[in-house]
Amino acid sequence: KAGVTQTPRYLIKTRGQQVTLSCSPISGHRSVSWYQQTPGQGLQFLFEYFSETQRNKGNFPGRFSGRQFSNSRSEMNVSTLELGDSALYLCASSFTRGLNTEAFFGQGTRLTVV
Amino acid sequence: QKEVEQNSGPLSVPEGAIASLNCTYSDRGSQSFFWYRQYSGKSPELIMFIYSNGDKEDGRFTAQLNKASQYVSLLIRDSQPSDSATYLCAVVGRGAQKLVFGQGTRLTINP
Repeated sequence: KAGVTQTPRYLIKTRGQQVTLSCSPISGHRSVSWYQQTPGQGLQFLFEYFSETQRNKGNFPGRFSGRQFSNSRSEMNVSTLELGDSALYLCASSFTRGLNTEAFFGQGTRLTVV
Repeated sequence: QKEVEQNSGPLSVPEGAIASLNCTYSDRGSQSFFWYRQYSGKSPELIMFIYSNGDKEDGRFTAQLNKASQYVSLLIRDSQPSDSATYLCAVVGRGAQKLVFGQGTRLTINP
């Protein structure tokens, strides 16, 4: 069974540009969550999508957005990139929502903003 | 106070000994608790989850949950050098529907 697939694995962008990251969840999983990981802040929740609807959002500016398609694949977009957006972006998929639901992470996209 | 707190370490344990990793959380309504292992340069890997008070064992790993004390721990028996990694505690609150992570504890197993 294939795991969570994130593309691309690495990205280098310049300040002011925008970027789109993609996440394909485990087959049959309908919930996709996105996290940002940095050495200083650790893993921070960005947002969660289930059945093509954003169900939950973290404390990030509006420059960070996402969407989910009917096949459960998800994309996140960051506009007007800042140096501080350099991080490992991780997506996690779950079979469903709910408290007792295990989440599995993809390999991540490492974004460097220069 | 952070929502989920872990000692950042590094925690150094000799090979074959028991490694004990601890985590406390602030939301008394938290319901689900997870331990992830993250090797350097890799993504987090789910190794244990626990929902009820008490102990849960899976091979060399034991998760312990005490909701009254708002405390969850992970024990690794017969520690191996391959267990050297950062261990992340994650908690899901009653209404949050999201994983809140601690900063992680860096564990080093010395041969």
